[in-house]
Amino acid sequence: KQEVTQIPAALSVPEGENLVLNCSFTDSAIYNLQWFRQDPGKGLTSLLLIQSSQREQTSGRLNASLDKSSGRSTLYIAASQPGDSATYLCAGRRQTGANNLFFGTGTRLTVIP
Amino acid sequence: DAGITQSPRHKVTETGTPVTLRCHQTENHRYMYWYRQDPGHGLRLIHYSYGVKDTDKGEVSDGYSVSRSKTEDFLLTLESATSSQTSVYFCAISPAAEETQYFGPGTRLLVL
Repeated sequence: KQEVTQIPAALSVPEGENLVLNCSFTDSAIYNLQWFRQDPGKGLTSLLLIQSSQREQTSGRLNASLDKSSGRSTLYIAASQPGDSATYLCAGRRQTGANNLFFGTGTRLTVIP
Repeated sequence: DAGITQSPRHKVTETGTPVTLRCHQTENHRYMYWYRQDPGHGLRLIHYSYGVKDTDKGEVSDGYSVSRSKTEDFLLTLESATSSQTSVYFCAISPAAEETQYFGPGTRLLVL
């Protein structure tokens, strides 16, 4: 089983600040890692998926990196906006197969106007 | 948003009663999943399906059963609901096992 940890559990930043969210996983034999966003009372929205052969993926103001040797992934958000306020979850897949995606408990981000 | 709906969106039931949650997709994705989300635990996989009538257990399958008679529908049944099954239940879909999963809006279930 892939153990996934996200610290801190909550983070508040002023609008416009660049920020980094952290995700740690226990098994370096990771197949891929995904970042999701969850708004209160809503489902998850996929943000980025990084394959084990990749080091990073970018989408707009978001950049996700993957370092298998250290067991870490980071999600970088540039020029944060109040609309970025949400819970961000990472999920690591240890190997192929539908039952091998394990989620962290998330970081709740608040961007203060 | 991917075409995924869940019904009901909210349900209150009593211990010992059967409950069925429905997930419906319009994307024709092969894989469908049921997760539960609880504080401090993240999302945990209950069951998943890799085709019509093809299902398998996830991490927390005890007390749950599933059925998939059509590509677009995946049902989750709690045969005899318990208070420990109070949770938010999410359905997800993906075209292949290792590809991005797309989530429904969730069903909030309270078992009294």
